[in-house]
Amino acid sequence: EVVLTQSPGTLSLSPGDRATVSCRASQSVGSINLAWHQQKPGQAPRLLIYGASSRATGIPDRFSGSGSGTDFTLTISRLEPEDFAVYYCQQFGHSPWTFGQGTKVEIK
Amino acid sequence: QVQLQESGPGLVEPSGTLSLTCAVFGVSISNPNWWSWVRQPPGKGLEWIGEIYHSGSTSYNPSLKSRVIVSVDKSNNQFSLRLISVTAADTAVYYCASGIVGARGSVNQWGQGTLVIVSS
Repeated sequence: EVVLTQSPGTLSLSPGDRATVSCRASQSVGSINLAWHQQKPGQAPRLLIYGASSRATGIPDRFSGSGSGTDFTLTISRLEPEDFAVYYCQQFGHSPWTFGQGTKVEIK
Repeated sequence: QVQLQESGPGLVEPSGTLSLTCAVFGVSISNPNWWSWVRQPPGKGLEWIGEIYHSGSTSYNPSLKSRVIVSVDKSNNQFSLRLISVTAADTAVYYCASGIVGARGSVNQWGQGTLVIVSS
């Protein structure tokens, strides 16, 4: 199975800061089989980015994704108060589909 | 806009069977797409359980394959999860999800989730 390793585990930042989350796969998942999901406490996850770099419907353009093969990045250009949450990468290039362990973006 | 709603018992006894249903709104489950189950133990990450295609074809996580069945009920526009021989390790929030059309394994829309506790 493909193991996704996210770094850092926790990111302590202030509103207005830039956030960068990394997701590294144990083997190549291609250029489009990678998604990012956001989860707030007590809520279901929500799709942010699919195809490594395409924003899902209604997602603000401060969220962007990049990468291919084994290395992917989620960037939030300027953190808004509502962006403090846990972020998960997910690969669907090789079954079983797997998720990273999550990165918590918390208020500094 | 697809909406998904899980339902089922919130408490299951050890060695029993966990059964959940996901009602689909806004789109026909007979349309070409994959429908999935994902779970999240309290305070932990996400684990893909399995999926079913509109045709009835299924795929499961090898870690659960011997205990899980996902089925589809087209007449009621819903799909279901059965997990047998449950233990405390199966305690989790269970989510149903719909995929991005044409992208097997993806998750486009999540249900709100339902907590299932395995305990006597």
